[in-house]
Amino acid sequence: AQKVTQAQTEISVVEKEDVTLDCVYETRDTTYYLFWYKQPPSGELVFLIRRNSFDEQNEISGRYSWNFQKSTSSFNFTITASQVVDSAVYFCALSEYKAAGNKLTFGGGTRVLVKP
Amino acid sequence: DAGITQSPRHKVTETGTPVTLRCHQTENHRYMYWYRQDPGHGLRLIHYSYGVKDTDKGEVSDGYSVSRSKTEDFLLTLESATSSQTSVYFCAISGVAGAAYEQYFGPGTRLTVT
Repeated sequence: AQKVTQAQTEISVVEKEDVTLDCVYETRDTTYYLFWYKQPPSGELVFLIRRNSFDEQNEISGRYSWNFQKSTSSFNFTITASQVVDSAVYFCALSEYKAAGNKLTFGGGTRVLVKP
Repeated sequence: DAGITQSPRHKVTETGTPVTLRCHQTENHRYMYWYRQDPGHGLRLIHYSYGVKDTDKGEVSDGYSVSRSKTEDFLLTLESATSSQTSVYFCAISGVAGAAYEQYFGPGTRLTVT
């Protein structure tokens, strides 16, 4: 069975601070996908990134960066120079490696509060 | 915009009544999913569909049934609603051109069972 753990339930930072969200996963599969989603206070779920398990390159997109380490089964997410608009719940998710129709297993989410 | 709508967006119902939630998509995506979101649990898969009349159970399927008679509509039915089914329900699709592996979510339905 697959499992995703986000041990940090809530993180509070002051604007412009960096914040790192931890994600640890368990799977028996040798290939899989990892995802991050953002849920702002308005409630919708916004896709942020997908990572294939065979690609361990770190990725940066603007102020967002992701660190994937297969050896420790972790896929951490860092927001650099946080802004109030980054306040949201962030979910890490895992799926089997299929061409389509992947079922997602989500972590419990980490609520990020960025104070001005 | 993946063209996903959910109806109703909010519903209050009484214990023991049947409830049907509708997910509608405009892009003919093959795969559709129903999740529920509860505090501390993230989202959990209830049922999914891989085509018209092709559905399968997810992690938390007890008390729920689904139907998909048309590509664009995926219905979730609570056969006899219980207070434990109070939750926010999200529909999702996958198979978007150029992003086949990601799931895109509808706006959610907040269901309260009293």
